[in-house]
Amino acid sequence: AQKITQTQPGMFVQEKEAVTLDCTYDTSDPSYGLFWYKQPSSGEMIFLIYQGSYDQQNATEGRYSLNFQKARKSANLVISASQLGDSAMYFCAMREDSYSGAGSYQLTFGKGTKLSVIP
Amino acid sequence: EPEVTQTPSHQVTQMGQEVILRCVPISNHLYFYWYRQILGQKVEFLVSFYNNEISEKSEIFDDQFSVERPDGSNFTLKIRSTKLEDSAMYFCASRRLAGGVGTYEQYFGPGTRLTVT
Repeated sequence: AQKITQTQPGMFVQEKEAVTLDCTYDTSDPSYGLFWYKQPSSGEMIFLIYQGSYDQQNATEGRYSLNFQKARKSANLVISASQLGDSAMYFCAMREDSYSGAGSYQLTFGKGTKLSVIP
Repeated sequence: EPEVTQTPSHQVTQMGQEVILRCVPISNHLYFYWYRQILGQKVEFLVSFYNNEISEKSEIFDDQFSVERPDGSNFTLKIRSTKLEDSAMYFCASRRLAGGVGTYEQYFGPGTRLTVT
């Protein structure tokens, strides 16, 4: 079974509109973390936002917010006021704490969503 | 702002040749990682490294791969005898050791695109 599922291979959004990128995860570890990374066409991986499994509030970072629904095991990324520079691949990733050998805390990634912002 | 650097940005090699990909993690980070991303696919974990030894490795990281921290700043990934299927973007990442509240955030380098012909 996939640990991270991103069901939207591609999304389009009008500039200045908000967009939600979906991510569901599968773990039985009670302690985990969820990350979103942006990968522009240049290829680098840019950290956007983080949510810990015990965090009571949804994470926010500027125009990015994470809609964390623990019971549904979803961690959707919301981008408000989309800009042309937001066009990129977006990856959801998870860190599982108990299943990580010697504190490795490696990340498991989803397949990504390609976001295109239309002027 | 400190960043992870990787060299070269693009490496072309012939099948069967050895390649070494280099990374300079952020200076006060103590955990290092290699990930790879085959074109158009998701990023996959290869190996993590701490205290001069491998902490964890995936099934992808077979005997053809090795990692080393040859000095206080570099972290390398060696592929002994490259295959066509090793063609991918290879990302190095590092993180600080979290004490107290921490995100365990991994900082990624810009990647090395390896092309095996």
